[in-house]
Amino acid sequence: DADVTQTPRNRITKTGKRIMLECSQTKGHDRMYWYRQDPGLGLRLIYYSFDVKDINKGEISDGYSVSRQAQAKFSLSLESAIPNQTALYFCATSDSRTGEDQPQHFGDGTRLSIL
Amino acid sequence: AQSVTQLGSHVSVSEGALVLLRCNYSSSVPPYLFWYVQYPNQGLQLLLKYTSAATLVKGINGFEAEFKKSETSFHLTKPSAHMSDAAEYFCAVSMYSSASKIIFGSGTRLSIRP
Repeated sequence: DADVTQTPRNRITKTGKRIMLECSQTKGHDRMYWYRQDPGLGLRLIYYSFDVKDINKGEISDGYSVSRQAQAKFSLSLESAIPNQTALYFCATSDSRTGEDQPQHFGDGTRLSIL
Repeated sequence: AQSVTQLGSHVSVSEGALVLLRCNYSSSVPPYLFWYVQYPNQGLQLLLKYTSAATLVKGINGFEAEFKKSETSFHLTKPSAHMSDAAEYFCAVSMYSSASKIIFGSGTRLSIRP
């Protein structure tokens, strides 16, 4: 089983719909992140959470919200999807206890298309 | 503010040839530097990182990178390319040891010719 699991892997939806992307991890890591990948732009940080009660905006949080339901679960929501949110979304984790503060483990991504 | 530039969106080498992927950074303070690899339909994996210890950093799968302050570069190399190295590679920079502050480059797609 994957250490970081993202669901769904692919989603096509319409403008204005509410979408939730889910991420769960079995690593026992305290920190979780949501990134967005667009061709030619690398990865950009949307939101991050250092523990269940600590959630922070990243570089491009507008139009997104998150929920850290438990240490192992971190979901990303698009309240009213728009076409320029079409992208590949990644969840990642890191473990502050090891001193490794860079994102260490990534899920396989969710490809989201907004029509 | 920091930034990172990867020179060449696509690099193609023959199997067995040297791999050189270029990365230049801009940072007002000594940076932390990273290389990640992304195989098709997968998330990123950390290849190696520089955190102000040795300037030559060895990573997984035979890759290494050298931090050159005078050139503000952190190029990734591998002496002999293997077909399994075909992937997209991302350079990233951070001023702090914090994942929330990492800035990723736009990526370089590496192709390996038989």
